[in-house]
Amino acid sequence: EAQVTQNPRYLITVTGKKLTVTCSQNMNHEYMSWYRQDPGLGLRQIYYSMNVEVTDKGDVPEGYKVSRKEKRNFPLILESPSPNQTSLYFCASSGANTEAFFGQGTRLTVV
Amino acid sequence: AQSVAQPEDQVNVAEGNPLTVKCTYSVSGNPYLFWYVQYPNRGLQFLLKYITGDNLVKGSYGFEAEFNKSQTSFHLKKPSALVSDSALYFCAVSAFGGGYNKLIFGAGTRLAVHP
Repeated sequence: EAQVTQNPRYLITVTGKKLTVTCSQNMNHEYMSWYRQDPGLGLRQIYYSMNVEVTDKGDVPEGYKVSRKEKRNFPLILESPSPNQTSLYFCASSGANTEAFFGQGTRLTVV
Repeated sequence: AQSVAQPEDQVNVAEGNPLTVKCTYSVSGNPYLFWYVQYPNRGLQFLLKYITGDNLVKGSYGFEAEFNKSQTSFHLKKPSALVSDSALYFCAVSAFGGGYNKLIFGAGTRLAVHP
């Protein structure tokens, strides 16, 4: 089954404690992205990747890092999380001519 | 700047009635336009897209959308609403007029279908 898998689904952490949210896709897609969803704002792109070792900033990249060492994986790293990064995060992947497929989401709370 | 507007926070419809969820966009170049639906505690599911061709596009679950270039709109429609259609709907446009990767989303419209 074609899917995008994120882990964990839920995470509560404390300010400043580094964390990683993993994302993996099994569709051999070139493009992968991270979005955050906040009420009234819709989804905003954090980072995206056009292929292995090729990444670029989205609209809200501050406080986040990504890496794309393998085609199927695109982890999101928060080096020093802050409460304003409390949000619902989605990973997405797409091919050259396909719509974006989204993961189930990761609800992050930073206290 | 590229942007998407969904002017209604919530749309209320009686089951069996037609529904419309509005979306307008601003993008340079030819837009790629999408509708996604989000059910509680779920990711976004793709409904339909407009890339080129016929202005009326049909998608999943009986939904369709009409691309109107002069009004820069891409409204989502369904002839007869179901209670199970109740969800959060997002309109999205591809930035820079092409590609499927960098999407700009509207704020979302919550659709409530009443029995």
